[in-house]
Amino acid sequence: DAGITQSPRHKVTETGTPVTLRCHQTENHRYMYWYRQDPGHGLRLIHYSYGVKDTDKGEVSDGYSVSRSKTEDFLLTLESATSSQTSVYFCAISESTDLYANTGELFFGEGSRLTVL
Amino acid sequence: DQQVKQNSPSLSVQEGRISILNCDYTNSMFDYFLWYKKYPAEGPTFLISISSIKDKNEDGRFTVFLNKSAKHLSLHIVPSQPGDSAVYFCAASGYGGATNKLIFGTGTLLAVQP
Repeated sequence: DAGITQSPRHKVTETGTPVTLRCHQTENHRYMYWYRQDPGHGLRLIHYSYGVKDTDKGEVSDGYSVSRSKTEDFLLTLESATSSQTSVYFCAISESTDLYANTGELFFGEGSRLTVL
Repeated sequence: DQQVKQNSPSLSVQEGRISILNCDYTNSMFDYFLWYKKYPAEGPTFLISISSIKDKNEDGRFTVFLNKSAKHLSLHIVPSQPGDSAVYFCAASGYGGATNKLIFGTGTLLAVQP
């Protein structure tokens, strides 16, 4: 068990409202990620973090922002939700501690299902 | 532009037979490849990986084969069991720096019939 908790697990919201998804880890790992899963697209990287206050964009970052003020928490914010952001969002962590030990093995949370009406 | 492709959305196999899941990639800079398994309402879980310096990696019933010249990898499951029924994602990493960024394929739904 990699100790990843996502909240909320389910959320229904309306277009134009802000939404924040939280990812909490108990393992003190450096690297954290947010992915979204959609039919026909697989899993796509939204943003990732390589340390406190260190974040960068992934493949589909438009409309999303992230923050990491503590090692254990990685927040994903939709400033103004749109129907195209209806998806299942997965947080993931990497146990890698070496910047160049790039095995790519990630541990995923159970997902947060977001519906934007 | 899909850098990692799984062209078969679904596959049905009889219990006890071999399951072969395929994946193609376009970026020759990828140097690590992984397979993840996903059950409904759960997060993906790591299954097996292979480095680009190898052409085969085996772990129990699961074997991954890598053909770099063809930019193709495959996952073999022998023998297949009903509990293997899940969505399987192929993923690649190693491009653009060392931050464990994975690029995933679209997934293949495997159904193992008893």
